[in-house]
Amino acid sequence: SQTIHQWPATLVQPVGSPLSLECTVEGTSNPNLYWYRQAAGRGLQLLFYSVGIGQISSEVPQNLSASRPQDRQFILSSKKLLLSDSGFYLCAWSTGTGRGGGEKLFFGSGTQLSVL
Amino acid sequence: GQNIDQPTEMTATEGAIVQINCTYQTSGFNGLFWYQQHAGEAPTFLSYNVLDGLEEKGRFSSFLSRSKGYSYLLLKELQMKDSASYLCAVRDRSNDYKLSFGAGTTVTVRA
Repeated sequence: SQTIHQWPATLVQPVGSPLSLECTVEGTSNPNLYWYRQAAGRGLQLLFYSVGIGQISSEVPQNLSASRPQDRQFILSSKKLLLSDSGFYLCAWSTGTGRGGGEKLFFGSGTQLSVL
Repeated sequence: GQNIDQPTEMTATEGAIVQINCTYQTSGFNGLFWYQQHAGEAPTFLSYNVLDGLEEKGRFSSFLSRSKGYSYLLLKELQMKDSASYLCAVRDRSNDYKLSFGAGTTVTVRA
């Protein structure tokens, strides 16, 4: 069966410090991978998605970047965190591009990031 | 982007029924999903609708009307564990088939 691992679960970082969140998927090949952010009281905002190794699409201009060094590994990074980067970060995967219609997202357990 | 609207909060009594409405605007509708999210946890998939009508899964049902840009999630025989946020999400061909999420409806079940 497929599983998705995301760590750490919680993180408190000072403004201006770097960030690295890692996500790995097991039990499937060539998944589509996603990073979402969820601010308090707001919907899930898609930050990045990837359909293959080294292929990253950015959804919104921001202080963050993403990389996919291996097929089932997705990393979210920042060189210098801002206060506005605080939020709940979720990694997710899906089996297809969505053109088939029914492909659903499977989410990791999330990282609660507090930038102080 | 897509405009997805759902109520912010709803409260109901254990054993009752609650209906969560979701309206959306999209130019290339390609499916609507409902997810459940308990506080501090990841969303989990509940249901998927792409054709008009009702999909039933145990205590949960989801309805879709594409012409009205409208869906609802019906929760029956509410249990305390159903207290959670319920997210409506729409897939759009014109948005490269990515999912866009509403802000979620927080349902509180009271004894």
